[in-house]
Formats: sequence, structure tokens, C-alpha cells
Amino acid sequence: DAGVTQSPTHLIKTRGQQVTLRCSPKSGHDTVSWYQQALGQGPQFIFQYYEEEERQRGNFPDRFSGHQFPNYSSELNVNALLLGDSALYLCASSLGDRAVGNGYTFGSGTRLTVV
Amino acid sequence: GQQVMQIPQYQHVQEGEDFTTYCNSSTTLSNIQWYKQRPGGHPVFLIQLVKSGEVKKQKRLTFQFGEAKKNSSLHITATQTTDVGTYFCAGPGYALNFGKGTSLLVTP
Repeated sequence: DAGVTQSPTHLIKTRGQQVTLRCSPKSGHDTVSWYQQALGQGPQFIFQYYEEEERQRGNFPDRFSGHQFPNYSSELNVNALLLGDSALYLCASSLGDRAVGNGYTFGSGTRLTVV
Repeated sequence: GQQVMQIPQYQHVQEGEDFTTYCNSSTTLSNIQWYKQRPGGHPVFLIQLVKSGEVKKQKRLTFQFGEAKKNSSLHITATQTTDVGTYFCAGPGYALNFGKGTSLLVTP
């Protein structure tokens, strides 16, 4: 049973650079949500993609953008990286956009360090 | 999404002691989800509660949803070192609105 797959697992970038993170949802899931988790904090919602459209967005600047492909996989792009963007980026998938019943399945995350 | 507050922020217990974390909302929740995140890991879905006054058990874990659907609790009986981690409740909506979580440390 393929769970949620994220790549890369770790990444180091320089301030001002751009980064792309990737996510493959659990088999059978069609919705992908992205979260940012700073050290010692709960995950903060970035945005959700359903049917290749951004359905909902959290309180994140336009430097954060995403995409969902026809096979339901997704990318998160962050431009003009800041030191404060250093965090664990989590991808969560579900069947449907509200994950009623079985919750969201999270990937292991991408640890982004901006130096 | 609907915001939730969680207490306590930290809890340190001796192995075998019980543990409870509480989740509160100022508004009525249609449902609430609970997740566990082990140190260095990712959140793992534990359960969803939907009905007023609902109580669900998973082995030593007991989850409750308040009658007014504004609060919830997770109780662990006789903690074990494998229970170590951060427990999050999350309100409903397109986006899971996580509380800050309760970090549980269990000392052998």
C-alpha cells in the first residue's frame, strides 16, 4: 500500500533562491494539502489542491505557489526564500476535500533549511 | 476552518501513569480529528469524532467529544514509552486547523 511520498527528504537552499517540493498522494486519494511545520509548532495550512485547482489557501504570501497534476501528484514552489521559510513541509492526501471519516494521510515531509 | 486550543502544552509522566489532553473550541465543531506525531516523524491520523457525546476507544486510548461539540479529550491509560510524541487535535474544514499540540514525555 503506497502511502504519501515526498521528495526530497532534505534540502538546503540559500536565501533568495527558489525551491520545488514534490508529493505523490496515497493510492486512491485525489486531494493534496500542504502544511508548514516550524520546530516545536503544529502544522500550518498552506493550501489544498483538488481537481487540479487550488481550493483553499492559508495565510501564506504569494511566494508560495503550487500545482496539482492529472495523476493527483502535486508540487509546492517557494520563491525568494527567506531564513524564516526553514521548516518541515508536509504533504497530506485524502479522498475528497474534507477527509471525512479516515482523516488525512501525511507524508514524511521535506526538511528545508535556508541559509 | 475552525480554530482549536489545546492544553496542556507539555506533560511529563512516569510510565504507567495516566495522561489526558484537552481540546477546546469557541464554536461548535462538526467533527474533530486527532493525530499523533512521534519525535522526528509526521502526523498520523488516530480518529475522527462526529457525534455529540461520542466516546471511542482504541486499546488504552479513549477519545471523547463533548455534548456541546465544543471540546474533546484524549485519555491514555497506563502510559508506555511508545506513547511518547505530540498529540494534536484538528478542527474541521478544507484545512485541518491544528492546535499547538500536547507533547507527552514518558519516563521509564
